[in-house]
Amino acid sequence: DSGVTQTPKHLITATGQRVTLRCSPRSGDLSVYWYQQSLDQGLQFLIQYYNGEERAKGNILERFSAQQFPDLHSELNLSSLELGDSALYFCASSVGGRDMFFGPGTRLTVL
Amino acid sequence: DQQVKQNSPSLSVQEGRISILNCDYTNSMFDYFLWYKKYPAEGPTFLISISSIKDKNEDGRFTVFLNKSAKHLSLHIVPSQPGDSAVYFCAASDSGGSNYKLTFGKGTLLTVNP
Repeated sequence: DSGVTQTPKHLITATGQRVTLRCSPRSGDLSVYWYQQSLDQGLQFLIQYYNGEERAKGNILERFSAQQFPDLHSELNLSSLELGDSALYFCASSVGGRDMFFGPGTRLTVL
Repeated sequence: DQQVKQNSPSLSVQEGRISILNCDYTNSMFDYFLWYKKYPAEGPTFLISISSIKDKNEDGRFTVFLNKSAKHLSLHIVPSQPGDSAVYFCAASDSGGSNYKLTFGKGTLLTVNP
């Protein structure tokens, strides 16, 4: 158990819909990272938050957004969903150092 | 452009023997490297890391070697156990500010046979 929690574990929705994925980092970790793992792309960095502020963006679509709240939990919002958005979405946290710990992931299926 | 490459999609090893997983990178700005193990339907589990100022780091059965001039790192698992069977990901980061985002390889499936 990494100490990073993610909900829900599974999510099935239809194209065009909007979903919210939630992540609670390890206690004391200020940085939250979101990654997407699809079948053919491997693990891709989406976005990072540090203590409530967006710190870096990766290959994140404009239809996707995220935020980190004062209690340090983070939410990833995915809208206008397409079939190709089906993937595993992982949240990771770190205290500010280099070793990153991942949550169990949310499996999103878009039908 | 794949900056972190794991050229072997799979590796099969006998229990008790050494497993060697390899990783190459192209970005000379990478200065920190990590290995993760991943089981199906679970998140990646951190195994071991190494800074570019070192050439070796050891933690129990796991040792990571870094060859900066060759832009190559390897993970050695000795002795290998059936429970080590999983996908192993190599990841790298650079010290760009406090953004330590990881760039991952595509993984190597390790199978340890009893």
